[in-house]
Amino acid sequence: QSVLTQPPSASGTPGQRVTISCSGSSSNIGTKTVSWYQQFPGAAPKVLIYSNNQRPSGVPDRISGSKSGTSASLAISGLQSVDEADYYCAAWDNSLNGVVFGGGTKLTVL
Amino acid sequence: QVHLQQSGPGLVKPSQTLSLTCAISGDSVSTNSVAWNWIRQSPSRGLEWLGRTYYRSEWINEYAISVKSRITINPDTSKNQFSLLLYSVTPEDTAVYYCARWFHDPGWFDHWGQGALVTVSS
Repeated sequence: QSVLTQPPSASGTPGQRVTISCSGSSSNIGTKTVSWYQQFPGAAPKVLIYSNNQRPSGVPDRISGSKSGTSASLAISGLQSVDEADYYCAAWDNSLNGVVFGGGTKLTVL
Repeated sequence: QVHLQQSGPGLVKPSQTLSLTCAISGDSVSTNSVAWNWIRQSPSRGLEWLGRTYYRSEWINEYAISVKSRITINPDTSKNQFSLLLYSVTPEDTAVYYCARWFHDPGWFDHWGQGALVTVSS
């Protein structure tokens, strides 16, 4: 059971906009920044979003992040087949004194 | 460019010690603004943060509650690397293990090792 809660799956057709939610608490998302990671089978996770809504260089601007209260969201617009992957949210947790992850969301492009 | 290269055995017997090393290039294990982490991933537990080491005038280690009694993360400044020791392993410790750099402010994993499957089995 992950500390951060994500839907196990999400889907969309090419060109659509998809959002993935991440729910936490006051000890993590409520007071700390959220980062999002994309992972392909057999590969290490790669950061897509840090500090709630910042994109590292090389991440396209059709990918965005937001945070409100104890929840965060990742949005992918102009969905492409290359976006089919697993997505994870993460944040520092002040109560656990460690990094906590969401359980991951498998995104399928129909 | 920062690169993390993991090494270590892929098979460990139950009750023995899992040992992995993460060699750092393009940065220093003693850099002040980052922390060096171990994370594992398994189908049953998902992504699980295990712990980290970092330098702030002295070395600081922080560990996840779930493994705190049987884990050590050590920096090695002479080889610019850090290691994971997980003691008294059981089959539940079978997972893909990753090392990763955490950039402290605002806080995110910006570089990851390639990952290593470690199987605990007799």
